[in-house]
Amino acid sequence: DTGVSQDPRHKITKRGQNVTFRCDPISEHNRLYWYRQTLGQGPEFLTYFQNEAQLEKSRLLSDRFSAERPKGSFSTLEIQRTEQGDSAMYLCASIVAGGGTLDEQYFGPGTRLTVT
Amino acid sequence: RKEVEQDPGPFNVPEGATVAFNCTYSNSASQSFFWYRQDCRKEPKLLMSVYSSGNEDGRFTAQLNRASQYISLLIRDSKLSDSATYLCVVKNDYKLSFGAGTTVTVRA
Repeated sequence: DTGVSQDPRHKITKRGQNVTFRCDPISEHNRLYWYRQTLGQGPEFLTYFQNEAQLEKSRLLSDRFSAERPKGSFSTLEIQRTEQGDSAMYLCASIVAGGGTLDEQYFGPGTRLTVT
Repeated sequence: RKEVEQDPGPFNVPEGATVAFNCTYSNSASQSFFWYRQDCRKEPKLLMSVYSSGNEDGRFTAQLNRASQYISLLIRDSKLSDSATYLCVVKNDYKLSFGAGTTVTVRA
């Protein structure tokens, strides 16, 4: 257990439904990342927050995706009108930014999304 | 071209064997390099950072060749518990880029 928690751990939804995932980072970590991982691939960067500010979004993050970190603590990732191609593991990671170039990202256990 | 490319394996080796594999990265300005380990259906965890001079952590040795833009990992005296997917990771500014992973299976 790295100290980063994610909820739910598994989500099955029908195509067209909206889903929301939550990530609780390690409390003193000011930077939070979202990644998506599909079978046989490494995690792919989606977006990241420095405190409550969303500083970067990947081109992978279509208009159907939105992420928030309202008080600089937990974060949510919402997918609207889900598609089968959204089926993946969604990983959250946190770090203390400014710890140098070798600072380690701590990953949560992930939310596995299946869109039927 | 992917930013980080790895030999996917799988590498199937007996206990006690040595196994080594590489990855290449495309951005010559990349700043930091890591190997992460990921067990089946689990989250990635940092195995070790990779330094320019090469470094060891117990049975694991990592090498970085900036001129050729490749990173290697060598595992000596393989244990059953080393069975996992090893992810090559490159950091640029704030962002980590992951390879697709190299699968290693150590058999008894």
